[in-house]
This record gives sequence, C-alpha cells and structure tokens, in this order.
Amino acid sequence: GENVEQHPSTLSVQEGDSAVIKCTYSDSASNYFPWYKQELGKGPQLIIDIRSNVGEKKDQRIAVTLNKTAKHFSLHITETQPEDSAVYFCAASILIYNQGGKLIFGQGTELSVKP
Amino acid sequence: EAQVTQNPRYLITVTGKKLTVTCSQNMNHEYMSWYRQDPGLGLRQIYYSMNVEVTDKGDVPEGYKVSRKEKRNFPLILESPSPNQTSLYFCASSLSPDTDTQYFGPGTRLTVL
Repeated sequence: GENVEQHPSTLSVQEGDSAVIKCTYSDSASNYFPWYKQELGKGPQLIIDIRSNVGEKKDQRIAVTLNKTAKHFSLHITETQPEDSAVYFCAASILIYNQGGKLIFGQGTELSVKP
Repeated sequence: EAQVTQNPRYLITVTGKKLTVTCSQNMNHEYMSWYRQDPGLGLRQIYYSMNVEVTDKGDVPEGYKVSRKEKRNFPLILESPSPNQTSLYFCASSLSPDTDTQYFGPGTRLTVL
C-alpha cells in the first residue's frame, strides 16, 4: 500500500542550530503535505502545510520544501529554541479507489533542542 | 473555542472488559477519525467517518468498533480489549479527509492488562 517514510526518528540539536526532517512518499498523485507538531501530553497540531503547486513555503522560522519529481518533502526549522522540542509528523494525501482521500502519516521524529 | 475533546484521558483496564472512549467536536466537521500512536509506527488510522451514519475501516480496524449517530460525536468501542490494544489514541476531525487541517483531541492513554 501507499506509505510515507520519515527520517530521522530522533534528532538532537543545540539551541540556535537548524533542524531538518525529511519524508518520502510513494503515491505520485499525492498533492497535500502537512506537518504536525506534538508537544508532550497533547495531540498533534498543524504547523505548516504545502500543496503540490508550490515548491517551498515559509512561516517565520519554519519552512517546508517539496520535490514532486523525487517524491520527497522536508521540514526546516532555523534558530531552534527549547520550545521547538516535540515530536513532528509529516503526512501525505492519498486517494483510495472507492473510498476517497485520506492522510498517511510518517513514523514521527522526536526533536530535542538543548539549551 | 474550536476543539476536539476526548474522555477519558487515561484508562487502565483488564482483558475482555468492554470500554468506550468518547470523542466530541464543536466545529461542525463532517469528517472524523480515530488513530492509534505507537512508538516507531507513527499515527495509524483505525476507523473514519465521512458523515452521520457513514463509517468505514481504516488501516488497523481489528478489535475496534465505532458509531456516528450525531455529527459532533464519534465514540470508539473496544468490546473485548486485549493487551496489544495498549496504546495512545487520538480522535480527529476536519472539513475534508485529505486537504484540510485535521484537529486532534488531547489523546487517551489506554493500558490493557
């Protein structure tokens, strides 16, 4: 079936450094790619998303890039802060015959930002 | 405030004892779903509902049931829980299943002994 692979599973950076999380997807028809942040004890929350008609989107310190040819997309966090420590999930939309669309999530990346 | 609520937040139970986890949303979303989160496996969809009285299996439906009698509520039922259903469960709602923001509840941590 269709899947989304996410790497790395854990990432530790020093405060102020950049962090990059990468995802690959298998369905060439995928056209929506959201990123979710899950803080300890809470549910995932959307932080940024990108659609297939653009290659890059930025919102303050976070950015997402999309390469549709290679079927991969990445989350970039610059000037990391301790409050960026969380689990991050990527996702990709897929279309299932006779069922409609859904999101497939990656395995998650636990980001730790050390002061 | 737009939100998805789940109850209970924590539950410890024993094998075979039926339980229900409630989920409610106040955003008038048609699409609702249940996920389980396990280390290294990410979020896997259990069941979803496109609208009232319309439900369907997700990727890991075995051992679970759902119902959607009202638009705002989408309870998850474990009729005979087993230890392999020990997990962190999330309910989510959205306008559409694949192109809009999914709003997640705070999670229910279930332990089946």
